[in-house]
Amino acid sequence: NAGVTQTPKFQVLKTGQSMTLQCAQDMNHEYMSWYRQDPGMGLRLIHYSVGAGITDQGEVPNGYNVSRSTTEDFPLRLLSAAPSQTSVYFCASRRQGSTSGANVLTFGAGSRLTVL
Amino acid sequence: TQLLEQSPQFLSIQEGENLTVYCNSSSVFSSLQWYRQEPGEGPVLLVTVVTGGEVKKLKRLTFQFGDARKDSSLHITAAQPGDTGLYLCAGVSGGYQKVTFGIGTKLQVIP
Repeated sequence: NAGVTQTPKFQVLKTGQSMTLQCAQDMNHEYMSWYRQDPGMGLRLIHYSVGAGITDQGEVPNGYNVSRSTTEDFPLRLLSAAPSQTSVYFCASRRQGSTSGANVLTFGAGSRLTVL
Repeated sequence: TQLLEQSPQFLSIQEGENLTVYCNSSSVFSSLQWYRQEPGEGPVLLVTVVTGGEVKKLKRLTFQFGDARKDSSLHITAAQPGDTGLYLCAGVSGGYQKVTFGIGTKLQVIP
């Protein structure tokens, strides 16, 4: 199993450009999420989805859009990139359920984005 | 927003020393997880604690969940250079079981 696959691994954008970070998982996980990781700030939840067609905002959703048309894919869109969006982005997925074992997140390897 | 305060943020110790990392919150969590992250990779789960007062051991690592399910600690005995990394605590809560992370503790174990 590939687990959670993120592309691209590195990206440099100019302010105002748009781009999409791709995330795909092959574990049939219902729950998928995007985090950004910044020094001194930890991992902060951007958006999450509990199934195809269902998305919701996390702690820092501004400037980002998501959609979930399939169980496998959860792309993160930056419509007009800003320098404040320079960060490392992680996609994570898990089964959705009430047991503690269902809440274990499997992370991708991350996408490092620099906005100039 | 449910905050998880993690301390210390940085820790540099000699091989063989013991250390404890703390994770505190004013909120109650249904469970608390500890992850470890290596440079250039995503976090990987070490353990989940669910019951207040629960203690779990993973070789030289001991994890404890507070009685009120608001705090947790990670104790490493006789640290090894291979323990070097970023340790993250994460609280699980809410109807959708959202996972909220602490800032992390960057541990360096010097040979």
